[in-house]
Amino acid sequence: GAVVSQHPSRVICKSGTSVKIECRSLDFQATTMFWYRQFPKQSLMLMATSNEGSKATYEQGVEKDKFLINHASLTLSTLTVTSAHPEDSSFYICSAEQGAGNEQFFGPGTRLTVL
Amino acid sequence: GENVEQHPSTLSVQEGDSAVIKCTYSDSASNYFPWYKQELGKGPQLIIDIRSNVGEKKDQRIAVTLNKTAKHFSLHITETQPEDSAVYFCAANLANYQLIWGAGTKLIIKP
Repeated sequence: GAVVSQHPSRVICKSGTSVKIECRSLDFQATTMFWYRQFPKQSLMLMATSNEGSKATYEQGVEKDKFLINHASLTLSTLTVTSAHPEDSSFYICSAEQGAGNEQFFGPGTRLTVL
Repeated sequence: GENVEQHPSTLSVQEGDSAVIKCTYSDSASNYFPWYKQELGKGPQLIIDIRSNVGEKKDQRIAVTLNKTAKHFSLHITETQPEDSAVYFCAANLANYQLIWGAGTKLIIKP
């Protein structure tokens, strides 16, 4: 149980294009999903907390107009990187919280490369 | 702000020996402490967690201990195997359900 999927696993795009990443909880309902980015050899950096049916809460320094988050259902959250630039290249990982017990289960991550 | 410190940053042990990774946290209200294992190019995988109402939890070769007074918790891996090689992260929860993460420990198991 507690499986989280992410799609796509890898994406390469040109500078200026937008990229959408999907995060799905496959066997449970997740009222809260989290989006992280991770640079090589570094820890996870929380970008935003997403609750189903409401606006995401962004961490300080994360541009909400650039990283659009939609959490339309209890099993799906999407992150759209708008007008991507090379500095947005990173490993993006989502997690879903199963209940209010704080256990977060992570997706496999999406490697974004912006040329 | 609140933080979690993790040591060491790199740990190299001989196959079959034990490995210990330590974390300290600052928020006295934290009551949930998970450990994640991350292999290269993959998302973190929850391997064990502990809540503040217990001092130790064990799952086969993995154990976690918690000292709430000192605000530190540790991951213990016994009889290490090559597949244990990965980066391990500790975390502690905040009141808003977010997790504060340690910097990670790269565990290398030498054959």
